[in-house]
Amino acid sequence: EAGVVQSPRYKIIEKKQPVAFWCNPISGHNTLYWYRQNLGQGPELLIRYENEEAVDDSQLPKDRFSAERLKGVDSTLKIQPAELGDSAVYLCASSVGLAEQDEQFFGPGTRLTVL
Amino acid sequence: GQSLEQPSEVTAVEGAIVQINCTYQTSGFYGLSWYQQHDGGAPTFLSYNALDGLEETGRFSSFLSRSDSYGYLLLQELQMKDSASYFCAVTRAAGNKLTFGGGTRVLVKP
Repeated sequence: EAGVVQSPRYKIIEKKQPVAFWCNPISGHNTLYWYRQNLGQGPELLIRYENEEAVDDSQLPKDRFSAERLKGVDSTLKIQPAELGDSAVYLCASSVGLAEQDEQFFGPGTRLTVL
Repeated sequence: GQSLEQPSEVTAVEGAIVQINCTYQTSGFYGLSWYQQHDGGAPTFLSYNALDGLEETGRFSSFLSRSDSYGYLLLQELQMKDSASYFCAVTRAAGNKLTFGGGTRVLVKP
C-alpha cells in the first residue's frame, strides 16, 4: 500500500515569491493534516481536514497561507508571498478518521528554503 | 496554554536501555503518543497511551501516568538504527489533534 505522497521534496525560492505544496493521502483516509517543522523542533499543526472541510485552521497564518482539499482527497498548501521565516519542512499526514487513537501517517515532507 | 518537555539529547551504546521522559501541561488531555523520525525522514508512529500503565511493543515500551502528567518511552537492546529523534505528542480535545514536544535526539554508539 502506498504511503502519503508529497511533492516537491525540495523547493528553493526567493522571498516574496509564491510556492505550493501538494499532498496525496493514503487511500481511504478521510482526515488530512498539514504540519510545519522547523529545524530541531517538533511538527506544528497548521490545518486539519475532514474530507473536504477544514475542521481546524486556527494555526494557519491566513494572511499568506491558504490550503484546499478539493473532492476530499488531494490537498494543496500555498504560501504567497513567502518570507524568510517560512523556511521549514512542510509535512502532510493522513488518518482514517478523527478518533483520538487513529494513527497519523506522515509523508516525507517538502523542505522549503526561502532566500 | 500547553507545554511538553523532553530531554534534547541522549547518547547510549548498542545493547543499552534508554528511557526518554516526557512531562506535559495541557487541558483536555486524551492520550500520549510517541513518534520516531530519522534525519530527513517522516515521523513514524510508535505508540499511543490513553490509560495509565505500560504498553510494550517489541523492543519499545511506553508508559503513562495521567495523575503525574508524565510518560516515557523505553528503548531496549539499542541498535544503531535506533539513532533518530523521538517525539512525544499529546492528543488534546476531540478530533485527533496532536501537539508535539521538541524531540529527543538519540545517538547510539558502537
